[in-house]
Amino acid sequence: QVQLKESGPGLVQPSETLSLTCTVSGFSLGSNSVHWVRQPPGKGLEWMGIIRSGGSTDYNSALKSRLSITRDTSKSQLFLKMNSLQTEDTAIYYCLFLFTTDSYYVDFWGQGVMVTVSS
Amino acid sequence: DIQMTQSPSSMSASLGDRVTITCQASQDIGNNLIWFQQKPGKSPRPMIYYATNLANGVPSRFSGSRSGSDYSLTISSLESEDMADYHCLQYKQYPYTFGAGTKLELK
Repeated sequence: QVQLKESGPGLVQPSETLSLTCTVSGFSLGSNSVHWVRQPPGKGLEWMGIIRSGGSTDYNSALKSRLSITRDTSKSQLFLKMNSLQTEDTAIYYCLFLFTTDSYYVDFWGQGVMVTVSS
Repeated sequence: DIQMTQSPSSMSASLGDRVTITCQASQDIGNNLIWFQQKPGKSPRPMIYYATNLANGVPSRFSGSRSGSDYSLTISSLESEDMADYHCLQYKQYPYTFGAGTKLELK
């Protein structure tokens, strides 16, 4: 079955770089797109970016200068890197498989990984 | 970027009430809108997709509608299990954008 699992450091120092991994199973990254979404504590959801089946990416306009999403299809892993972290980047980070048409919908969320930015 | 203005940010209602939450899109998004429900400590759950389609397993008291650039999620008769946060997401164009969310509480 389809599963996604995020992993990474729980604590990051301000101004440093966040590196997260999303390991997927049950589907191929070479044929499907995966999104990253984050949620600061007590706040709403924020779409961060997508890596498509062909490897192209799109990013949140407010984050694109410091965000990079890449993948290794042979390992079924995708990677999020974001630099110059600040306390406002404290959030739960999710990877998300979502496919929808006008008559069909499926999504699978990872469990999320909590990242705290603090010295 | 498309802005999604969601209202209200929070509301309280009684069991059996009819509840409506709205998202207004700053540009045309067609019907490319999803409503998610999120309970504390859980990942979001899709309730409505393509603005008006009920996602799998969602009770029929939930419905989605569209009037121009205004999109609504309606719960016809509120039940205790509906207390949660609700989020809209437009997927018409990149970057995708969420509304700010609505916290629905019991009065």
